Amino acid sequence: ILNVEQSPQSLHVQEGDSTNFTCSFPSSNFYALHWYRWETAKSPEALFVMTLNGDEKKKGRISATLNTKEGYSYLYIKGSQPEDSATYLCASRSYNTDKLIFGTGTRLQVFP
Amino acid sequence: KAGVTQTPRYLIKTRGQQVTLSCSPISGHRSVSWYQQTPGQGLQFLFEYFSETQRNKGNFPGRFSGRQFSNSRSEMNVSTLELGDSALYLCASSRGAGSEDGYTFGSGTRLTVV
Repeated sequence: ILNVEQSPQSLHVQEGDSTNFTCSFPSSNFYALHWYRWETAKSPEALFVMTLNGDEKKKGRISATLNTKEGYSYLYIKGSQPEDSATYLCASRSYNTDKLIFGTGTRLQVFP
Repeated sequence: KAGVTQTPRYLIKTRGQQVTLSCSPISGHRSVSWYQQTPGQGLQFLFEYFSETQRNKGNFPGRFSGRQFSNSRSEMNVSTLELGDSALYLCASSRGAGSEDGYTFGSGTRLTVV
C-alpha cells in the first residue's frame, strides 16, 4: 500500500444499524493514524488519533482499532443515527514522509 | 476559544490572476497545514508550517506558495491562476509539529477561477 485507501466509498444504512469502515495505509515507518468526521457545510472534526499497534479508542457509539503491522484501521459505529451521516476521513503520517495524507473518505448516510 | 479562521470564505478570480488566502490558527497552535479539495478527490496536501518554517510541501507546482508569520498566522498564495485551481482550500492547525493531538480545521476558502 503506497497511499491511504478507504472502503467502502459510500454506505447507506438504516437507523439503528451498526456499521464499519476500513482504512488501509502504508505500514512501513508508521507514525500516526487519524480519523475525522466531515459533515456537510461544516469543517472536518477530529475523532481519534492513534499511534500504537493494537490501539482501540472509543467516543460514545464510535470506536476505532489500529493494526500498524498490516496497515489498517477500522472505524465502528454502533446503532447508527441520522446525525451520524457524514463523510469519515482517515489520514496517515509516516516518519519518512512526515506528511499527514488523507484518504478519499467513506460517505455514510443513515436513513430514519 | 476561537477556532481556526480562514478568510475570505468565497473568492472568484479570473485565469492568470493571483490570489492570497489567510489562515489564523487557534491561539497557542504553532503548526498550520493547508489542503486542497476538488470534486472526487480527497484532501490533497499542500504545505505544513511550524514556527515560521515550511516543514513539508506536497506535489503542487511552484505557483503554489505559502508562509507563516511570527504570530503563527499563515498565508497561501497561488499565482497565474488556472481553471483547475478551483477548489475548496482548507487550513488546519495543531499545537505542535507531528499533529499527535489531531488537527482543527477552518471552514475553508472556496475559490472559483473563471
